[in-house]
Amino acid sequence: GAVVSQHPSWVICKSGTSVKIECRSLDFQATTMFWYRQFPKQSLMLMATSNEGSKATYEQGVEKDKFLINHASLTLSTLTVTSAHPEDSSFYICSARDGSSIETQYFGPGTRLLVL
Amino acid sequence: GQNIDQPTEMTATEGAIVQINCTYQTSGFNGLFWYQQHAGEAPTFLSYNVLDGLEEKGRFSSFLSRSKGYSYLLLKELQMKDSASYLCALMDSNYQLIWGAGTKLIIKP
Repeated sequence: GAVVSQHPSWVICKSGTSVKIECRSLDFQATTMFWYRQFPKQSLMLMATSNEGSKATYEQGVEKDKFLINHASLTLSTLTVTSAHPEDSSFYICSARDGSSIETQYFGPGTRLLVL
Repeated sequence: GQNIDQPTEMTATEGAIVQINCTYQTSGFNGLFWYQQHAGEAPTFLSYNVLDGLEEKGRFSSFLSRSKGYSYLLLKELQMKDSASYLCALMDSNYQLIWGAGTKLIIKP
């Protein structure tokens, strides 16, 4: 089956630093990737949708200058949290969709970010 | 806009059956999903309904009524490993997933 990986799985950083999270589709080409954020005991919230080779579409309330998304290839998307603050501490999950099935999203294992 | 409601928490006994309900309002609909999420992990796909009726897959079944804006996930022969959050999500007219808050299912021996 389709596999999506995320790296790193855990990151702890100091306030003010930037953190990059990678999302890779390992055995398929991801025409679209989604980035979600999940706070404790809450559901997933879509942050942005990115299509390969084009700018990401951000959801309302998500700062595009703070959460930089790059989808440079069909197998890799990156999310960079710039100047991270404690309130950015969360569980970040990516998912990917190939071109064959618009209904199906394959989820990565998630990245837990803790900003001190 | 869209709105999804599901119970916050449910408790059931090992070996029993539990039904988790989900109601929704939406202007565009391209299907309803159920995902399982264990604490600290990403969601895993359970089921997808786009037409009315019951879809059975092993111990798990999912039902959809589009006219009523209603779905349920039925879990049979509950096992301790079924303790998790169960997320109802609908796919809107833009093929984006809109997520419910999730139902935390606690299984007791």
